[in-house]
Amino acid sequence: QSALTQPPSASGSPGQSVTISCTGTSSDVGGYNYVSWYQQLPGKAPRLMIYAVTQRPSGVPDRFSGSKSGNTASLTVSGLQAEDEADYYCTSYAGSNNFVLFGGGTKLTVL
Amino acid sequence: EVQLLQSGGGLLQPGGSLRLSCAASGFTFSSYALNWVRQAPGKGLEWVSTISGDLSRKDYAASVKGRFTISRDNSKNAVYLQMNSLGAEDTAIYYCVKSSGWYAFDYWGQGTLVTVSS
Repeated sequence: QSALTQPPSASGSPGQSVTISCTGTSSDVGGYNYVSWYQQLPGKAPRLMIYAVTQRPSGVPDRFSGSKSGNTASLTVSGLQAEDEADYYCTSYAGSNNFVLFGGGTKLTVL
Repeated sequence: EVQLLQSGGGLLQPGGSLRLSCAASGFTFSSYALNWVRQAPGKGLEWVSTISGDLSRKDYAASVKGRFTISRDNSKNAVYLQMNSLGAEDTAIYYCVKSSGWYAFDYWGQGTLVTVSS
């Protein structure tokens, strides 16, 4: 099964909001509320930012929020800060055959 | 503090085999699924395999099914990935990752580089 579809890049100025999309199908994103988002800084392991579509782990700033509509999930970063510049990946549970799918990743640039 | 300490990466020739290890601490090991996720150089993340806490279930990505085997030893708080018939396409950083439930990955190891090249 193909990876989830993310835009390769996104950008915004400090203080602005930016939204990154993650598009799948009814067999993954649309079929389950098991979408997660990860932040990966250069040379570092990924960090969980959002799970179960909208939930933030302890320690993640509330500037990060998640949502879903149909087969598309979204990550919104409000009040952009320079430290938010990173690669962002979405994942979704995809059933017992495909288990977990990753998106291709989005490079977020803070202008 | 949750820690996942990986070992076992390296350089090997096509067709070779390698076993990755991951030693876990800081949580009730047998209660959580463990995973391997890889990242080819300059590329995105790819889920590789998952093993349930009670060892009852193992899942694999189509790209590694039949070549890779995930296992765990709950008495040693360790998870392993046995990789056979390796090809250049398996060259990647491999991460040991703890599941949080909700099919999310909440703690990641430091990663270990596996390079397959002649």
